[in-house]
Amino acid sequence: DAGVIQSPRHEVTEMGQEVTLRCKLISGHNSLFWYRQTMMRGLELLIYFNNNVPIDDSGMPEDRFSAKMPNASFSTLKIQPSEPRDSAVYFCASSSWTALAKNIQYFGAGTRLSVL
Amino acid sequence: QQQVKQSPQSLIVQKGGISIINCAYENTAFDYFPWYQQFPGKGPALLIAIRPDVSEKKEGRFTISFNKSAKQFSLHIMDSQPGDSATYFCAASKPGSARQLTFGSGTQLTVLP
Repeated sequence: DAGVIQSPRHEVTEMGQEVTLRCKLISGHNSLFWYRQTMMRGLELLIYFNNNVPIDDSGMPEDRFSAKMPNASFSTLKIQPSEPRDSAVYFCASSSWTALAKNIQYFGAGTRLSVL
Repeated sequence: QQQVKQSPQSLIVQKGGISIINCAYENTAFDYFPWYQQFPGKGPALLIAIRPDVSEKKEGRFTISFNKSAKQFSLHIMDSQPGDSATYFCAASKPGSARQLTFGSGTQLTVLP
């Protein structure tokens, strides 16, 4: 398996533009986590899904952020409109029921977002 | 509110030395304490983990020491190698439907050749 696949790897955009980050889960996994990593705040959980259903979005910073799972293997994180303070590395991680029982999450390589 | 505090922020160790990273937690509901290793340009990957029913877990050169009464745990890397240079995150999770991880702030380890 290729692991969790995120795209794009790097995104540079201007303030006010819409940004869409993409994540492909490991085949067979049914839990999906979106994290944001910054120097100031470290790794923060934004939202997680179980079986395509958002379980907890309390980490989503504000209404400009939205996340979806249109199918069992794919997720998007959208920022509209983007702001310079959104600049960070965004990770998604996936897990399965058995992996979660062992408390294992598998991370993608991340998307480095720069909002100018 | 920072539920898992990690120190130091950065660490430089000579090859062959011992690297020690410390974490402290506040929530006594946490029952699982993993360490993740992150290389530049990569996502974090699970390195080693411990549950509070044991005081120590060792896997190769990596050891977790756990002190339940003090609510502290630490990662020891014996015989540190340049290839160990990475950022290390401690984390904690509590029982729940999805085992959310609360991460420490990370320690950037540099092992000099």
